[in-house]
Amino acid sequence: LAKTTQPISMDSYEGQEVNITCSHNNIATNDYITWYQQFPSQGPRFIIQGYKTKVTNEVASLFIPADRKSSTLSLPRVSLSDTAVYYCLVNPVDSSYKLIFGSGTRLLVRP
Amino acid sequence: GAGVSQSPSNKVTEKGKDVELRCDPISGHTALYWYRQRLGQGLEFLIYFQGNSAPDKSGLPSDRFSAERTGESVSTLTIQRTQQEDSAVYLCASSLGGRAHTGELFFGEGSRLTVL
Repeated sequence: LAKTTQPISMDSYEGQEVNITCSHNNIATNDYITWYQQFPSQGPRFIIQGYKTKVTNEVASLFIPADRKSSTLSLPRVSLSDTAVYYCLVNPVDSSYKLIFGSGTRLLVRP
Repeated sequence: GAGVSQSPSNKVTEKGKDVELRCDPISGHTALYWYRQRLGQGLEFLIYFQGNSAPDKSGLPSDRFSAERTGESVSTLTIQRTQQEDSAVYLCASSLGGRAHTGELFFGEGSRLTVL
């Protein structure tokens, strides 16, 4: 299983861009990189998934370098409501699999 | 319903009692996952089902924990002889399984268990 390493916490201010980097040195060829967001008292929510280069959706962008040993979740112009825990996972697709969530990164957005 | 439903949302029990937590996954989702989340901690994998089978039970903390799934639908997580250390939020998630699996899990709101 590819283990992931993320910062424990990050602070930011409203309107700033936030980049959260995840290390996954042992990622396998068939693994994808998936990010989840969890608000207090709620279950995690899927944000974005990618395999290589760059993926963008209405919420975030995901940057993956060529060696795929790390990935960066980018949140543009954060607001107070982006305060949450962000989890990085690596997982194969096309087959059910035990999905391991690490401790995540606690993002605090200040006014 | 449209999402993953869990019950009860809150359960307070006395040490030594048994509890059952229920999960109703999204219709058509063949994969179902249970996680435990202690206060301020990350998600701890417990077990996952593909259909009614549990290929990986490695996360169950002890033999006091068991889970079953029937009809490729509802799942029940049972904790026998509860201990105070079992206090946590138990989260259930479902996903398209097998070759349709994308890695996107849909989580319920969780069942908060407090053992006095």
